Amino acid sequence: DAGVTQSPTHLIKTRGQHVTLRCSPISGHKSVSWYQQVLGQGPQFIFQYYEKEERGRGNFPDRFSARQFPNYSSELNVNALLLGDSALYLCASSLGGGAGETQYFGPGTRLLVL
Amino acid sequence: KQEVTQIPAALSVPEGENLVLNCSFTDSAIYNLQWFRQDPGKGLTSLLLIQSSQREQTSGRLNASLDKSSGRSTLYIAASQPGDSATYLCAVEGNAGNMLTFGGGTRLMVKP
Repeated sequence: DAGVTQSPTHLIKTRGQHVTLRCSPISGHKSVSWYQQVLGQGPQFIFQYYEKEERGRGNFPDRFSARQFPNYSSELNVNALLLGDSALYLCASSLGGGAGETQYFGPGTRLLVL
Repeated sequence: KQEVTQIPAALSVPEGENLVLNCSFTDSAIYNLQWFRQDPGKGLTSLLLIQSSQREQTSGRLNASLDKSSGRSTLYIAASQPGDSATYLCAVEGNAGNMLTFGGGTRLMVKP
């Protein structure tokens, strides 16, 4: 079975632009979480979705939004990009998103904002 | 608000040494604690997960301990190898859901 997949692998944008990142969870997993990892730091939680509903949101501005589709894949959208949005964006999936469930991480999308 | 700290931020050791990585967290109301490995530019690989009711977990040359009351965990790596070179991240899961709070990581270099 394929693991968590993310696309694209790398992306270069300029300030003010918009970006969409995509994630496909492991088959059978209904929950997807997004994390931002700035260079040299640990990942920070952005969103969790379960059954197309937002279950949790981290301390990120409204420029960040996400959604989950009926096939449980997910998109992370970032508007009005800032230089500080440059980071590795990680997606993780789990069966139901409940406490204690193992999360499986994808390889990430590296975003560079110029 | 949960805060996770890892010490040291970077570590360089010769091959064969035993080493200890430290992780501390401010809120002891955790569901579990997990240690991950991250190779440069890559995603995260889970190494060990310790439930809040457990004291330690072992996998091969790795042993992780948890002292929930004092808010501390250690990852012990025995007989280190150059292939162990990576960043090691500690993460705690609170009782409210599946969200992980990560430390800043320890960057390990094992020299041949």
